[in-house]
Amino acid sequence: QVQLQESGPGLVKPSETLSLTCAVSGYSISSGNYWGWIRQPPGKGLEWIASIDQSVTTYNNPSLKSRVTISLDTSENQVSLKLSSVTAADTAVYYCARHKTTTFYHAFDIWGQGTMVTVSS
Amino acid sequence: DIVMTQSPDSLAVSLGERATINCKSSQSVLYSSNNRNYLAWYQQKPGQPPKLLIYWASTRESGVPDRFSGSGSGTDFTLSISSLQAEDVAVYYCQQYYSNPYTFGQGTKLEIK
Repeated sequence: QVQLQESGPGLVKPSETLSLTCAVSGYSISSGNYWGWIRQPPGKGLEWIASIDQSVTTYNNPSLKSRVTISLDTSENQVSLKLSSVTAADTAVYYCARHKTTTFYHAFDIWGQGTMVTVSS
Repeated sequence: DIVMTQSPDSLAVSLGERATINCKSSQSVLYSSNNRNYLAWYQQKPGQPPKLLIYWASTRESGVPDRFSGSGSGTDFTLSISSLQAEDVAVYYCQQYYSNPYTFGQGTKLEIK
């Protein structure tokens, strides 16, 4: 079965870059689906961050402006996220998820368990 | 951005009774060329990631019990649970995937009365 596992540092200092990886097992990220990142601040709702497909077509949430970089590593079957110039407002659980089909315009059908990132000095 | 507004924010329903959650979008998420509503519903239990329940506003995801159903079109949508079970206690979110950026409702917390 398809599984996604996020990993990364649990603590990042303000103004630094947050780097996360999502390891995908049971499915090739080159199969055509889009892959996305979504975050959830403690006790709050969900915010979509960005998505990417194997052709490296990317969609970013404009609210995060140019701070976001999303990428694929097909050799490692991983999806990565970098978020620069972090502040306390970026403290959240970060999820990776698969779009249900090969189009960006679809729901997320499989989610990782999430990884908590705290921004603090 | 399309703003998604859910109502109510919280809901308490007796076991076996019907639960209804509403979701309103600030603009239509109906794509006229294929007559599909780009609207999904998710269930999130404490400490777990969201789980996809419904997509295209009314298509149940594989493995989701048939007591869950979605309805609506355009800007107004509803998630219904026909006979509430104890395991349905969760926060429920609607999400539009009609346009970038994807946006979610604020969530509705469903509890047992």
